[in-house]
Amino acid sequence: EAGVAQSPRYKIIEKRQSVAFWCNPISGHATLYWYQQILGQGPKLLIQFQNNGVVDDSQLPKDRFSAERLKGVDSTLKIQPAKLEDSAVYLCASSPAWAVYNEKLFFGSGTQLSVL
Amino acid sequence: GDSVTQMEGPVTLSEEAFLTINCTYTATGYPSLFWYVQYPGEGLQLLLKATKADDKGSNKGFEATYRKETTSFHLEKGSVQVSDSAVYFCALVRDDKIIFGKGTRLHILP
Repeated sequence: EAGVAQSPRYKIIEKRQSVAFWCNPISGHATLYWYQQILGQGPKLLIQFQNNGVVDDSQLPKDRFSAERLKGVDSTLKIQPAKLEDSAVYLCASSPAWAVYNEKLFFGSGTQLSVL
Repeated sequence: GDSVTQMEGPVTLSEEAFLTINCTYTATGYPSLFWYVQYPGEGLQLLLKATKADDKGSNKGFEATYRKETTSFHLEKGSVQVSDSAVYFCALVRDDKIIFGKGTRLHILP
């Protein structure tokens, strides 16, 4: 079974530039999550999709971050414009629709973003 | 609000040593508790879990017991291997929301 795919693996940009990350979840997984993992901290949920609808985006900085999952499959996360404090690893995760309490979360390898 | 506190790393041990990584939590109600592991260059993977008080989760020689009286879920392994070198995250889930600790990096020396 293929895992959660993310690209790019690494990205270096200057502050105020824009950047986009892509995620392809495991086939058939209805729920998709984006997490931000700052160095030395645990992952923090940015946004959760159920199919192509947003379930929770309460911690997404909406003035600069946006995410979409138009066809209920793959997803993109965008930052525009980027700030220095956005330097982090951005993790995508997916779970089957029947998952209870997120215990069947499958994570991608992440995109490491450095903002200079 | 709900939170997870785990011991700071890095933790460095010799092969075959006994491992304990402490984890305590603060939460209302009765959360489920998890340990995730992140091997170098890979995504987080569920290592073990416990869903109610006194439950013991176990996998790959690792164990953790859900202690409601001490609000703890310490990770233990009797004899670590070099291949156990990774970052370990304690996490709780309540109301379908998962909250991670900051992670503990483990180095095992041959």
